[in-house]
Amino acid sequence: NAGVTQTPKFQVLKTGQSMTLQCAQDMNHEYMSWYRQDPGMGLRLIHYSVGAGITDQGEVPNGYNVSRSTTEDFPLRLLSAAPSQTSVYFCASSYGGWGNTIYFGEGSWLTVV
Amino acid sequence: ILNVEQSPQSLHVQEGDSTNFTCSFPSSNFYALHWYRWETAKSPEALFVMTLNGDEKKKGRISATLNTKEGYSYLYIKGSQPEDSATYLCAFIGGTSYGKLTFGQGTILTVHP
Repeated sequence: NAGVTQTPKFQVLKTGQSMTLQCAQDMNHEYMSWYRQDPGMGLRLIHYSVGAGITDQGEVPNGYNVSRSTTEDFPLRLLSAAPSQTSVYFCASSYGGWGNTIYFGEGSWLTVV
Repeated sequence: ILNVEQSPQSLHVQEGDSTNFTCSFPSSNFYALHWYRWETAKSPEALFVMTLNGDEKKKGRISATLNTKEGYSYLYIKGSQPEDSATYLCAFIGGTSYGKLTFGQGTILTVHP
């Protein structure tokens, strides 16, 4: 059972480049979300989805796009990378709502230079 | 934006000490509170999901209590070991299971041998 899989684990981008962080889960979870983690700020919600075809914005959505065409996958797109997007990104999923156990991927370390 | 505060920000204890830390959250419209243990370069690991006022949960040497009326939860570690060194995160959900998860900034625990 792979759980929540994120790729890539590490990435360096130049300012203005675009890229996609991939997230996949094999647990048939309807709920998926993306967080970023910055020093001293905890995990902040970027975008989330409560099922295929449904997405919504979190606390810090600017500069990011998501889509949810399948239950398994929830990619996060950086449209034009900025140094302020240097962070650690976590994908998470849950079955039946955020009041149940939430499973996290191992994180993606992104540096924008 | 909901205010979820954790204290202290960091804590150093000696092996064998018992310790506790606090998560404060809005006392109105409570749905659930999560506790996670997070080691650097790994996925956050779920410890507890707490939903009822007065809940007490235990997992080995770690336990947690919940007071939804006053808006706080305590996490206790009995007889700390060096392997307990990690960041402990709490996350609050208000309203319903569809509500967004708001994380505290974490308490960094270091247990010295």
